[in-house]
Amino acid sequence: DQQVKQNSPSLSVQEGRISILNCDYTNSMFDYFLWYKKYPAEGPTFLISISSIKDKNEDGRFTVFLNKSAKHLSLHIVPSQPGDSAVYFCAVYSGAGSYQLTFGKGTKLSVIP
Amino acid sequence: DADVTQTPRNRITKTGKRIMLECSQTKGHDRMYWYRQDPGLGLRLIYYSFDVKDINKGEISDGYSVSRQAQAKFSLSLESAIPNQTALYFCATSEPSGNLNEQFFGPGTRLTVL
Repeated sequence: DQQVKQNSPSLSVQEGRISILNCDYTNSMFDYFLWYKKYPAEGPTFLISISSIKDKNEDGRFTVFLNKSAKHLSLHIVPSQPGDSAVYFCAVYSGAGSYQLTFGKGTKLSVIP
Repeated sequence: DADVTQTPRNRITKTGKRIMLECSQTKGHDRMYWYRQDPGLGLRLIYYSFDVKDINKGEISDGYSVSRQAQAKFSLSLESAIPNQTALYFCATSEPSGNLNEQFFGPGTRLTVL
């Protein structure tokens, strides 16, 4: 049973518009959430994270929102750029000192010039 | 130079062959991990190591073994490869006291078992 779900396999957005990528999780014990970006033929690279004590974290064009009651987080990219085209993975840690990252299946974002 | 390197980058082998995938890192991290990614799926943890003397099974360790030869080196072996082990394999490292448990990934090894 998937603990981390990214229900949209793909998303297309026009350059300059907002991209919203969504992630749902099942376990309320999860307390640390990360987004990774992956280009073809490369390993995933860390993008942004959020702790369960916060509901928002912002880094430049990237903002992650966490809704603990809904067990939902989202990544907003504003404005979207063609170089943002990649697969985005949501990942979670399950508690203090946890070592295992659990990944979603990923969402492929295509930003159209 | 890349901080986390993996060799080989691509490998085609036959069922029953023994295969070793190697990972080296220059980040000085104690923790190292092996993941596999299958098409349309997220990354799944195979094995992880917190230091040279520590080896732990992950979610999908059956059919795999690992060796932590040094702080900087962590190898993954398939003793007798089978076709359903065809996948993209990633090595990763992290610092226990690092920035929010971020893991740093290598470029991946694409393994095909015929």
